[in-house]
Amino acid sequence: EDKVVQSPLSLVVHEGDTVTLNCSYEVTNFRSLLWYKQEKKAPTFLFMLTSSGIEKKSGRLSSILDKKELFSILNITATQTGDSAVYLCAVEGYGQNFVFGPGTRLSVLP
Amino acid sequence: EAGVTQFPSHSVIEKGQTVTLRCDPISGHDNLYWYRRVMGKEIKFLLHFVKESKQDESGMPNNRFLAERTGGTYSTLKVQPAELEDSGVYFCASSPVDGWEQYFGPGTRLTVT
Repeated sequence: EDKVVQSPLSLVVHEGDTVTLNCSYEVTNFRSLLWYKQEKKAPTFLFMLTSSGIEKKSGRLSSILDKKELFSILNITATQTGDSAVYLCAVEGYGQNFVFGPGTRLSVLP
Repeated sequence: EAGVTQFPSHSVIEKGQTVTLRCDPISGHDNLYWYRRVMGKEIKFLLHFVKESKQDESGMPNNRFLAERTGGTYSTLKVQPAELEDSGVYFCASSPVDGWEQYFGPGTRLTVT
């Protein structure tokens, strides 16, 4: 059965800290791994990763995929209170089915 | 514990036809959400139920879309008549009344030809 696991499930840090969120997966015929940030309504797309070892960056956020070990990490440096959200990892597999992880709830305190 | 389930997993219909998607949330979850991924990677909010009431339906694209949640359990999303631009993956998620996390279903892939 396909599954996506995220850790930690919840994280509380202070502004300026750096955080690393983890996503591991077991999905048939992997196609891509996507990271989303969910605050109120729909998840906001952050990154899509398809190849191992290639880091994707967007401002203070970066992500990398390891297809051999079946995991990805999302790094956020110099965190701000606006980074507080649930970070979802989703993996697209065979037949373009989607499996979402449970999310990591990040709280950034001032 | 069973997760969120959606039916069907894939539906192919012709333009002008009607399709009904179903979502069964996790038992006991009062909150139920519908989303769709149309093109690319973005996921768009459609609506939010709290039990059987529509809490927020601001994301519903037009009156061809009708969502119901009779009895506050499973929900259906009907598209009538379907248009080509309705193609995409429709996700359902549920969460408990006092929970922050949303549990996503596997999605229904809708193809309108």
